[in-house]
Amino acid sequence: EPEVTQTPSHQVTQMGQEVILRCVPISNHLYFYWYRQILGQKVEFLVSFYNNEISEKSEIFDDQFSVERPDGSNFTLKIRSTKLEDSAMYFCASTRHHSSIQYFGAGTRLSVL
Amino acid sequence: AQTVTQSQPEMSVQEAETVTLSCTYDTSENNYYLFWYKQPPSRQMILVIRQEAYKQQNATENRFSVNFQKAAKSFSLKISDSQLGDTAMYFCAFLGGGADGLTFGKGTHLIIQP
Repeated sequence: EPEVTQTPSHQVTQMGQEVILRCVPISNHLYFYWYRQILGQKVEFLVSFYNNEISEKSEIFDDQFSVERPDGSNFTLKIRSTKLEDSAMYFCASTRHHSSIQYFGAGTRLSVL
Repeated sequence: AQTVTQSQPEMSVQEAETVTLSCTYDTSENNYYLFWYKQPPSRQMILVIRQEAYKQQNATENRFSVNFQKAAKSFSLKISDSQLGDTAMYFCAFLGGGADGLTFGKGTHLIIQP
């Protein structure tokens, strides 16, 4: 069964450093998403991406964040100048059609020290 | 903005029992979608069940079923014959109003006791 793949599973970084979280969505999907879950809290929407551009972004998704689809398979989330409060689980999701089921990857746990 | 409320932070039942997790939501939309996701200790988000608001029939997936009450804006999840592997966080989620992103509740930690 096709699945969303995220790498790395755990990323440790120093405060102020830049990180790139990687995702390979399901191959025939067209809509891609990033979500964040701070430990013990609910999952929060960050951004959606369709047709090579951002479709929607939340208040959390400020200038510190950016997304990119550098080739036909990868979808990345870049966090510039990481802060302690960026420590969280980051989930990538994809779907074939808007309003269809969003399939989630296993997540990347980001630890900012 | 849509909100999703899960009023039960934690529930515990014995194996083989039936358990119902509650979820209410607030929206002014008429067309939307509701989901239950399961998050086991591995923290992967796994879809359990999906309901389309325009469908009156409650969705069912094997041991999992929902009680969708549109007028009451309620969307509860019933797990029948609960199993140890059902132990997880369960999140209710809403999609609608033209938004792309899911709005999640705070989750219910379900513990199945042997």
